[in-house]
Amino acid sequence: DIQMTQSPLSLSASVGDRVTITCRANQSINFYLNWYQQRPGKVPQLLIYAASTLHSGVPSRFSGGGSGTDFTLTISRLQPEDFATYYCQQTYSTLVTFGPGTKIDVK
Amino acid sequence: VQLVESGGGLVQPGGSLRLSCAASGFSFKDYEMNWVRQAPGKGLEWVSYISSGGTTIYEADSVKGRLTTSRDNSKNSLYLQMDSLRVEDTAVYYCARAEGATYRSDYWGQGTQVTVSS
Repeated sequence: DIQMTQSPLSLSASVGDRVTITCRANQSINFYLNWYQQRPGKVPQLLIYAASTLHSGVPSRFSGGGSGTDFTLTISRLQPEDFATYYCQQTYSTLVTFGPGTKIDVK
Repeated sequence: VQLVESGGGLVQPGGSLRLSCAASGFSFKDYEMNWVRQAPGKGLEWVSYISSGGTTIYEADSVKGRLTTSRDNSKNSLYLQMDSLRVEDTAVYYCARAEGATYRSDYWGQGTQVTVSS
């Protein structure tokens, strides 16, 4: 199976901060990398697919990058509704795997 | 697009449940689908994938041989037959539509709770 890691696993930030989360695969997954946001008690929502394409309706403060094994999710100016857990997901393999999640909370 | 799961509940270890996911608002027969679960306080775990026609199915090793995915395109429905349930299968189970070349899950149901406990 392809293993996904994320760093950090948690971070504290303030509204207006620039935040970057890293996701790493233990083998190349090309650009088959998606990012999801899950607010507390809510259903996960797609943010970014194919490593860097913003899903419809997602604010432009979110951006994704990377290819191969190393990927990033950046929130340019953190908003109150962005305090949530973020998951990366690889779909390169037929056995799909998620990263462990990165929780962003209020500093 | 709407996905509505049902069929969750409390079951004893070794028992069975059948989850359903009713799809509406899109051409269900044209889309691949996924099941994803989330144990209490834990992260997301992919469970299975099924192709649009139902002929190709992939399953996580943790559920292989016990949880079986199927679909009925005439009923716009996705199913997860859960047998030989274990305590560690306790989770919220989501169905999600898979879209595009990266099989991103662009729409999710609200989830159904499965609790395996004696």
